[in-house]
Amino acid sequence: GAGVSQTPSNKVTEKGKYVELRCDPISGHTALYWYRQSLGQGPEFLIYFQGTGAADDSGLPNDRFFAVRPEGSVSTLKIQRTERGDSAVYLCASGGGRGSYNEQFFGPGTRLTVL
Amino acid sequence: GQQLNQSPQSMFIQEGEDVSMNCTSSSIFNTWLWYKQDPGEGPVLLIALYKAGELTSNGRLTAQFGITRKDSFLNISASIPSDVGIYFCAGQGTRRGGSEKLVFGKGTKLTVNP
Repeated sequence: GAGVSQTPSNKVTEKGKYVELRCDPISGHTALYWYRQSLGQGPEFLIYFQGTGAADDSGLPNDRFFAVRPEGSVSTLKIQRTERGDSAVYLCASGGGRGSYNEQFFGPGTRLTVL
Repeated sequence: GQQLNQSPQSMFIQEGEDVSMNCTSSSIFNTWLWYKQDPGEGPVLLIALYKAGELTSNGRLTAQFGITRKDSFLNISASIPSDVGIYFCAGQGTRRGGSEKLVFGKGTKLTVNP
């Protein structure tokens, strides 16, 4: 399809483990965003890429969280030493394509559960 | 940090009724966006607003960008069962044309009784 895709759709892990979440943005979109959504809340910003570089990582909660976008397309969000409080839906969005102006288009999310 | 106050938190209406929800902020935004989220899905963009005072429609949906740039509202006319979901407002930064982070409200949960 032409939308943002995220894998896996669900991830269950144990406290202390390492996880990677993947995002494939809409083709041609230069900007890529990661958000985290807890139950009953709106999405909260984590990090934003323009091309390959992180333009704003002010939302990352601590140094256990890291994200990369090495070729300016696919991005991976990495969480080390997971904690139960990391359980949430992790959403990826892309934007900045021709004609999309400031709009951001979201993927279906990855539901992370830390046991 | 920036906060968006979205109200009401939830609404229970009859099919065919009109709906209104709004969002206020302590900060100025240059762009306001309205999204709808269904269970297990990501937010879907409904309407984007770029100018203070702008009124924009998308089918039965109408949204306005407040003149102070600190608020926005969304109206849904003649609601139907598929309007059920959670509606989020989101404000975006102060650099026009800049692809900046979105700040979201907590959402309005809409239930439509047939």
